[in-house]
Amino acid sequence: DIQMTQSPSTLSASVGDRVTITCRASQSISIWLAWYQQKPGKAPQLLIYKASSLESGVPSRFSGSGSGTEFTLTITSLQPDDFGTYYCLRYDSYSRTFGQGTKVEI
Amino acid sequence: QVQLQESGPGLVKPSETLSLTCTVSGGSISSYYCSWIRQAPGKGLEWIGYMSYSGSTNYNPSLKSRVTISVDTSKNQFSLRLTSVTAADTAVYFCATQLPGSYFDYWGQGTLVSVSS
Repeated sequence: DIQMTQSPSTLSASVGDRVTITCRASQSISIWLAWYQQKPGKAPQLLIYKASSLESGVPSRFSGSGSGTEFTLTITSLQPDDFGTYYCLRYDSYSRTFGQGTKVEI
Repeated sequence: QVQLQESGPGLVKPSETLSLTCTVSGGSISSYYCSWIRQAPGKGLEWIGYMSYSGSTNYNPSLKSRVTISVDTSKNQFSLRLTSVTAADTAVYFCATQLPGSYFDYWGQGTLVSVSS
C-alpha cells in the first residue's frame, strides 16, 4: 500500500511568514493529491486538489505544487485564521491514504 | 448545497458492532461514492472505505475484515458497520462523499463513538 509521509509534524510561525509543508509518497501518485485544513472539532476543509488546483473560495495565499512522489503546500503570508492541522490525501481509483498531519501554530 | 449528517450510538461495548448512518440532503446519493473516515482522539485521519454507486466497495486493508459499508438510495442514506470493536476503535467518525477516483468533497460534522464497557 502507498504510504504518505508529511513533514514537519508541528510548525510554529508568525503572522506574515511564508510556510511550506511537504508530503512524500512511497511511490509515484502522479498529481492525485489533495490538501485539507482541519480546525479542532471540525471536519477537514478542502484547500487544494490535483496537487495544484485551488478549491473555489480558498484564499490565493494557499498554493500547491509537485508531482510523482513529492508535494508541497505553501502559505505565502500566514494569517491568524490559518492555525490548524493540515493533511495531505492521496487518492486513486481504489484507495485513499492520508498523511499524518502538520499542526500549524501561530 | 450537499449536507451530510452522521447518526448512531455514541457508546459501544467491546466486542460488539458499531453501526452508524449518514443522511445526505441537498443532493442525490446516487451521484456520489459514499465514504467513511475516522479520527482517534488527538490523532490523524484514517480512511475506512467507500461504496460506489454501482455497489462495489473498497476498504482500508487494515479494517477490511471487520467493515461493511452499505447504501440505501430510497432514504438517501449510507451506513457503516464495524464488528468486534475494541478501545482502539474509539474515534470521531466522519461520513463524506467523493466522485469516482477523486478526493472527498462534502463531509459530515463527525460523531464521536467511544468503545467502553
